[in-house]
Amino acid sequence: AQSVSQHNHHVILSEAASLELGCNYSYGGTVNLFWYVQYPGQHLQLLLKYFSGDPLVKGIKGFEAEFIKSKFSFNLRKPSVQWSDTAEYFCAVIPYSSASKIIFGSGTRLSIRP
Amino acid sequence: GAVVSQHPSRVICKSGTSVKIECRSLDFQATTMFWYRQFPKKSLMLMATSNEGSKATYEQGVEKDKFLINHASLTLSTLTVTSAHPEDSSFYICSARGEGYEQYFGPGTRLTVT
Repeated sequence: AQSVSQHNHHVILSEAASLELGCNYSYGGTVNLFWYVQYPGQHLQLLLKYFSGDPLVKGIKGFEAEFIKSKFSFNLRKPSVQWSDTAEYFCAVIPYSSASKIIFGSGTRLSIRP
Repeated sequence: GAVVSQHPSRVICKSGTSVKIECRSLDFQATTMFWYRQFPKKSLMLMATSNEGSKATYEQGVEKDKFLINHASLTLSTLTVTSAHPEDSSFYICSARGEGYEQYFGPGTRLTVT
């Protein structure tokens, strides 16, 4: 079945560690890709998005993601995490054929040890 | 960025009653609004897509008679949970899409049915 997969359910890191959260999707054709973050008690916020062009996209708060079409992946990275990055991270895809419906991954909970 | 509001943020109701949740796009016109349900520690599940002036499109498994959606204007969509039961308790989130593909999410409404 077509889906968006986030293989890491819970990631625990120390401050200043590097972060990479995996995201794979199984839709063919053109896709729009997103990473959203949900801080504790807050609503979803867009971290970054990819529509076309440079496959390495930079978002807010030092996050970046790389679209690798051949691997159907859009992994999120940050070179040095902070305690304030503790949140739930969702990868999301809009397949071209979906009439703008966003398909979310199951989310990855990131816990940062101070 | 674009702002989407939801009202109320929290609501507690008795079993058998109906509850209306409002979703407003504050600074842009939303041709399409989406309603999601988020279970604890789970991803967002799309319930329905709402286009201004037309009937909502419900996802498979979502009861249209139970979750009534009205998109009366380009800035307002409402979700009414009819004859609510404890299993309807959840976090309901709306999003709004303007002219592009990007969706802007509301802060969510916590519904508790006692």
